[in-house]
Amino acid sequence: NAGVTQTPKFRILKIGQSMTLQCAQDMNHNYMYWYRQDPGMGLKLIYYSVGAGITDKGEVPNGYNVSRSTTEDFPLRLELAAPSQTSVYFCASRLGGVADTQYFGPGTRLTVL
Amino acid sequence: ELKVEQNPLFLSMQEGKNYTIYCNYSTTSDRLYWYRQDPGKSLESLFVLLSNGAVKQEGRLMASLDTKARLSTLHITAAVHDLSATYFCAVANAGGTSYGKLTFGQGTILTVHP
Repeated sequence: NAGVTQTPKFRILKIGQSMTLQCAQDMNHNYMYWYRQDPGMGLKLIYYSVGAGITDKGEVPNGYNVSRSTTEDFPLRLELAAPSQTSVYFCASRLGGVADTQYFGPGTRLTVL
Repeated sequence: ELKVEQNPLFLSMQEGKNYTIYCNYSTTSDRLYWYRQDPGKSLESLFVLLSNGAVKQEGRLMASLDTKARLSTLHITAAVHDLSATYFCAVANAGGTSYGKLTFGQGTILTVHP
């Protein structure tokens, strides 16, 4: 199993540009999550999904959109990038049992200039 | 709203010494997680604590949970350089519709030096 994969690893955007961060998992996990991690801070939840076709907002959803058309994929869309979206983005997945932990991808480092 | 606070935020330890990282949270929860993050890397799961009084140990790390006090501790025994990393606690939002959402602490940056 590859686990949770994310692409790209790094990206520089200009203000106002848009992009999609890709996330895929091959563990047949029901739950998937997007977080952002600002320097020296913990992770904050952007969006999450409990299954294909079902998504909901987390703590910091403004400026982002998600979709989940398959169990495996959970892309995060940034529209009209702003410097405040400069961050490291992590995708995670979880099967769904009480004792389950979240498995994290390697992250995407995004800079908006 | 669930808030999670860790202390200390920075910890510089000598090799061979013991120390404890504390994680306090503000509302009822039934699950608490500890993760490790190496610089520039992703998060690695260390422990899942599910009930009051739960204790888990792996090598030089031991985690415990006191749900009544809303407190978890991560105890480091005889620190070695390889333990240098950032440690996060994360608390599961309570309730049937929590869907495994986590609230993270700020992280504790641990540096172990000779």
